[in-house]
Amino acid sequence: GAGVSQSPRYKVAKRGQDVALRCDPISGHVSLFWYQQALGQGPEFLTYFQNEAQLDKSGLPSDRFFAERPEGSVSTLKIQRTQQEDSAVYLCASSHRTGTLVGDTQYFGPGTRLTVL
Amino acid sequence: KNQVEQSPQSLIILEGKNCTLQCNYTVSPFSNLRWYKQDTGRGPVSLTIMTFSENTKSNGRYTATLDADTKQSSLHITASQLSDSASYICVVSADDYKLSFGAGTTVTVRA
Repeated sequence: GAGVSQSPRYKVAKRGQDVALRCDPISGHVSLFWYQQALGQGPEFLTYFQNEAQLDKSGLPSDRFFAERPEGSVSTLKIQRTQQEDSAVYLCASSHRTGTLVGDTQYFGPGTRLTVL
Repeated sequence: KNQVEQSPQSLIILEGKNCTLQCNYTVSPFSNLRWYKQDTGRGPVSLTIMTFSENTKSNGRYTATLDADTKQSSLHITASQLSDSASYICVVSADDYKLSFGAGTTVTVRA
C-alpha cells in the first residue's frame, strides 16, 4: 500500500506487560513521528525521527517508553511495564521533510489502540 | 496549557445543512494552520492548509478561514453529507517540526 501502516491495530495488555507497536512509513519519507491520542483529545507529540536519528524524544511520558528506527524506515514504539494510564491510541506519521511547512504534510497511519487492563 | 482551543466540542446536524467549527490558537511563532478530518478508527487526514497571508481556502464543500490578527480560524461545511460525520481537528505549526493539535470537534450528520 501507499500509506502509513501500523500494527497491531488493537492491543490488549495486562498491567506490567511489555508491548511493541510497529509503524511502516511511506517509502522514502525522511521524517517519522509518534503521537499519543487519548479518548476525545487531539494527538500529543511523543517523538521525532529524521532517518534513523531520534532528534526529539521530549514527549515520551516516562523512561518506560522507548522508540527506535534503526534503518531509517520501520519504527517501533516499545512500552515497558505498561500501566493503565498508557491506554490510548498511538499514531504514527511520516513526511518528506518535517511535515509542518506548506507543500509538506504529515501522513498518519490508522493507529494502534492500546488497552491496558 | 493547550495552545489550540476548538469549539464546539461536538455537534449534530441534519443531512444537507451547513455548520461552522471554530478554532482559537496562541501558538507563536505561526507558520500555518491546517484542518484535519479524522474518521472513527482512522488517522487524521489533512483537508486544508493556510499560511499567514491567506484568509480563506476551500476544498470541495469545506471552506476554512483564517484571521491571523485575532488568531482565529473556522471550518465551514456546506450541504453536509453522512460521510462528513467525523472529528475535525485544528492543527497549528510554528517554524519547527512540531504540530499543535486541538482536541477536535465531533460532527454527527443525521439523515
